[in-house]
Amino acid sequence: GEDVEQSLFLSVREGDSSVINCTYTDSSSTYLYWYKQEPGAGLQLLTYIFSNMDMKQDQRLTVLLNKKDKHLSLRIADTQTGDSAIYFCAESKGGNYQLIWGAGTKLIIKP
Amino acid sequence: DAGVIQSPRHEVTEMGQEVTLRCKPISGHDYLFWYRQTMMRGLELLIYFNNNVPIDDSGMPEDRFSAKMPNASFSTLKIQPSEPRDSAVYFCASSSYVGTELANYGYTFGSGTRLTVV
Repeated sequence: GEDVEQSLFLSVREGDSSVINCTYTDSSSTYLYWYKQEPGAGLQLLTYIFSNMDMKQDQRLTVLLNKKDKHLSLRIADTQTGDSAIYFCAESKGGNYQLIWGAGTKLIIKP
Repeated sequence: DAGVIQSPRHEVTEMGQEVTLRCKPISGHDYLFWYRQTMMRGLELLIYFNNNVPIDDSGMPEDRFSAKMPNASFSTLKIQPSEPRDSAVYFCASSSYVGTELANYGYTFGSGTRLTVV
């Protein structure tokens, strides 16, 4: 079946690392994405990873993919107040032009 | 490119009235998606188009909802008559594909239209 699951909330202290987790069920997924939604705004592509990769790093962002466990994570180093947002995980499959979305994880930053 | 442009940003209407939401996708993108976002149901795909042709409208909640894409640069989502339970944020997104694979930049979303039906 098609299902992407995420925790609804994550609370971290400013300056700490945030790790947002996502599980998916379809092993044929080709790309996996992380989108960020700030209050009152649309979803913005943050980063993506191709299914033949295990890790991708982009400045403060690290994406880890465990295909065996169908687990995707997004690590944000040195979390700042500007990182407060909802983070959506999504998967796509070759030949299928729809993305399957998680419910989103709201990242709350404590001072 | 200015990105995906949606209008209006906010719409408040009375129950029973017709509402039309508009979207201009990124030039050159051949897929266009309409989504609805609510606290209760999260992000729901309503309908998507490929080269202006509706491909899958199974997410359209009722016959009160209709969507058109008369050309590559414009799409509308219409609700007639509107009801309070239609209150939500409606997003339009566009994308492009390389061969049969979703291009690695996924979808580009507009800023959304916040619809309130009173």
